[in-house]
Amino acid sequence: QVQLVQSGAEVKKPGASVKVSCKTSGYTFSNYGVNWVRQAPGQGLEWMGWISAYNGNTNYAKKIKGRVTMTTDTSTSTAYMELRSLTSDDTAVYYCARGGPGGFDNWGQGTLVTVSS
Amino acid sequence: QSALTQPPSASGSPGQSVTISCTGTSSDVGSYNYVSWYQQHPGKAPKLMIYEVTKRPSGVPDRFSGSKSGNTASLTVSGLQTEDEADYFCSSYAGSDKHVFGTGTEVTVL
Repeated sequence: QVQLVQSGAEVKKPGASVKVSCKTSGYTFSNYGVNWVRQAPGQGLEWMGWISAYNGNTNYAKKIKGRVTMTTDTSTSTAYMELRSLTSDDTAVYYCARGGPGGFDNWGQGTLVTVSS
Repeated sequence: QSALTQPPSASGSPGQSVTISCTGTSSDVGSYNYVSWYQQHPGKAPKLMIYEVTKRPSGVPDRFSGSKSGNTASLTVSGLQTEDEADYFCSSYAGSDKHVFGTGTEVTVL
């Protein structure tokens, strides 16, 4: 079955960077894109960006463009999301989700990133 | 890209129906038949309930249905059950490999 398993919770200081991994299995990695979505405490879902697992093309939300980099490692079927210059506003649960224009059909379990001095 | 607009809350008694609206613009909901709906229980990851406006993934009960008219999409849950109590989010493709989510609706089963 399709699985997306994310790395564990992180605590970072303001100004630091965080890199979250999303290891996939159960499907052909290069056939689907991977999206990253975050959810601040008690808030809604925010789409962060997308990466093609086929050719590495990316597209990022305007709000975080310049601070985020999404990459993939096709040898391990793993996607990564790095966010830099963290502030308290970046405290959230970060999800990876498989999918494309039609929707996101499989999600990781989420990774809590806490930014605190 | 602004979030799609959803009502903050909706409710119904068991067996009744509830409909949630999701209003976007001609740049997202109005331009593409790529509206999806997600159910999220507290502390859990979202679950895809409807994709491409009207389609249900395997395993999703047919009590869940989707539609769209102009810049507004809707999710209807018929025959409400206690396990349907959750937050629901819509999402739309917005072109150029970008997506936007709705503000979210908390559904309560009375």
